[in-house]
Amino acid sequence: GAVVSQHPSWVICKSGTSVKIECRSLDFQATTMFWYRQFPKQSLMLMATSNEGSKATYEQGVEKDKFLINHASLTLSTLTVTSAHPEDSSFYICSAKGLSNQPQHFGDGTRLSIL
Amino acid sequence: GEDVEQSLFLSVREGDSSVINCTYTDSSSTYLYWYKQEPGAGLQLLTYIFSNMDMKQDQRLTVLLNKKDKHLSLRIADTQTGDSAIYFCAEDTGRRALTFGSGTRLQVQP
Repeated sequence: GAVVSQHPSWVICKSGTSVKIECRSLDFQATTMFWYRQFPKQSLMLMATSNEGSKATYEQGVEKDKFLINHASLTLSTLTVTSAHPEDSSFYICSAKGLSNQPQHFGDGTRLSIL
Repeated sequence: GEDVEQSLFLSVREGDSSVINCTYTDSSSTYLYWYKQEPGAGLQLLTYIFSNMDMKQDQRLTVLLNKKDKHLSLRIADTQTGDSAIYFCAEDTGRRALTFGSGTRLQVQP
């Protein structure tokens, strides 16, 4: 079946550095990818919707200059957390969707810890 | 508007059936999903049902959809300790990202 690969699975870095997270659809073309953030014991919060070849659409309250999203191909979207700070520590999950009548498939998530 | 609600916690004994309930508000939903999340892991798609169906069975999983009441349920037969996880229902209207419920933590007691 369809598989979405997310990399890295866990990253720890110092405050002030930038971190890039990759999301790849392995056996289908993802016209749309979504980026979610999940706080402990909470549900997923949509951060942005990424369509291939166009600018991402950010949800209210999400800083687009802080969370840079690039969807340069039909199989790859990246989320870069710029100048990360401890409050950016969270679990980030991507999902990818192909045709409109197909379900979304999720990556395994990236645990980001900022010291 | 879009709003998906679930109960927060369910505890069952191993071997019993588990039923996790979900209500949604958007009548234009095309697909409704059940995802499983184990500690520290991402979301695993368990099953989904198209809005013109009222039941779907897949091995130990049975999904029931009542469109009139906007009620979705997931029944897990012969629940095992490995089924312990958080289960999210989500609706897909086709217009944007999924809308998730808060998740139901299923605890299976040996």
